[in-house]
Amino acid sequence: DGGITQSPKYLFRKEGQNVTLSCEQNLNHDAMYWYRQDPGQGLRLIYYSQIVNDFQKGDIAEGYSVSREKKESFPLTVTSAQKNPTAFYLCATAGLTRGGDEQFFGPGTRLTVL
Amino acid sequence: GDSVTQMEGPVTLSEEAFLTINCTYTATGYPSLFWYVQYPGEGLQLLLKATKADDKGSNKGFEATYRKETTSFHLEKGSVQVSDSAVYFCALSEWYSGGGADGLTFGKGTHLIIQP
Repeated sequence: DGGITQSPKYLFRKEGQNVTLSCEQNLNHDAMYWYRQDPGQGLRLIYYSQIVNDFQKGDIAEGYSVSREKKESFPLTVTSAQKNPTAFYLCATAGLTRGGDEQFFGPGTRLTVL
Repeated sequence: GDSVTQMEGPVTLSEEAFLTINCTYTATGYPSLFWYVQYPGEGLQLLLKATKADDKGSNKGFEATYRKETTSFHLEKGSVQVSDSAVYFCALSEWYSGGGADGLTFGKGTHLIIQP
């Protein structure tokens, strides 16, 4: 099946620990994105990457890091510097053709920091 | 910067009622516009899109028309069903002349509740 896989679906961590969220895609899309969703806040962009080995900060990058070593994978690390990491994290991809710039979303990972 | 404003919910309607969810935007260029739907505990699904002025996107009985003169992209459906209960997000994407687009800019979402 073609699609976007995020794992795990639920993740619990203790305060002060780094945690890495997985995002894998087999859609052959060039661009990948990470968003954070909080109740009543919509989605906010954390990081994005339009090509392997390159990525850019979004609106709320502080306390997060990413890598893009393979086209298929874009893991997000939530570091201990992120002050309020409990949220729903969504990964998305896009093919980046004009008129085809809609993004496709994975099922999300709900992170709870205890 | 870009921004999207949509009516806040929850919006509660009876089954078979007419639905309108308002969405207006501010953008520096000529954006593509989208409506996404999110069911509880899931990711977002693209509902419909429009890429130029006067385009009408449609899917599953939902429609929205790209109105450049009023910078709006209102979502409508003639007769809603209980299964339409979800959160709906309006979003835009700016396309750059050098090619590519950065992240979507989202509204805060509208929670729609359809009662039988």
